[in-house]
Amino acid sequence: AQSVTQLGSHVSVSEGALVLLRCNYSSSVPPYLFWYVQYPNQGLQLLLKYTSAATLVKGINGFEAEFKKSETSFHLTKPSAHMSDAAEYFCAVTQGNNAGNMLTFGGGTRLMVKP
Amino acid sequence: DGGITQSPKYLFRKEGQNVTLSCEQNLNHDAMYWYRQDPGQGLRLIYYSQIVNDFQKGDIAEGYSVSREKKESFPLTVTSAQKNPTAFYLCASRQGGSGYTFGSGTRLTVV
Repeated sequence: AQSVTQLGSHVSVSEGALVLLRCNYSSSVPPYLFWYVQYPNQGLQLLLKYTSAATLVKGINGFEAEFKKSETSFHLTKPSAHMSDAAEYFCAVTQGNNAGNMLTFGGGTRLMVKP
Repeated sequence: DGGITQSPKYLFRKEGQNVTLSCEQNLNHDAMYWYRQDPGQGLRLIYYSQIVNDFQKGDIAEGYSVSREKKESFPLTVTSAQKNPTAFYLCASRQGGSGYTFGSGTRLTVV
């Protein structure tokens, strides 16, 4: 079984401040983990993914995430928020790398960036 | 460019009417998925298909139907049995070794 919990449905930061979006997972086998971003009325776009290689994963738009097995976490960070980062972010987990392994999504975190 | 195309972007349904949402991909992906998104509820899986002519129910399949006659196409029909169909619908596909690729979504509204 697999599940994802995103702590905080809404996060607000000032422009230029650190962005930290939290994701904790549950998986009975070593997981594959993903972060997606969604802008209003659009689909989800892949930000980054962890597939058992380096534990620190760098993605697009300056985002990165660190896989911590001991904490079952995969938090998303960005050193300096930009107004264009305002969007909804989803963490997802799967237990395999085959097409038949479905992703389970967290409930999402809406990031607001204040000028 | 390869990708997933969902159409229409906006769709209006009258009470008691069936409507079909289109999802086409040219990525040669085997697996395809339909999700429903409601405010504050994340993504909920409706149906998925791992191969042509085969599909499985997800968590909220009641009131929906799908077909997978071609690898490229996975249309979703919202039937009159779905009592609360107003939502944002997302189609996705996946090939082994990758995450999901999503379409841009269809917003369905009951009028």
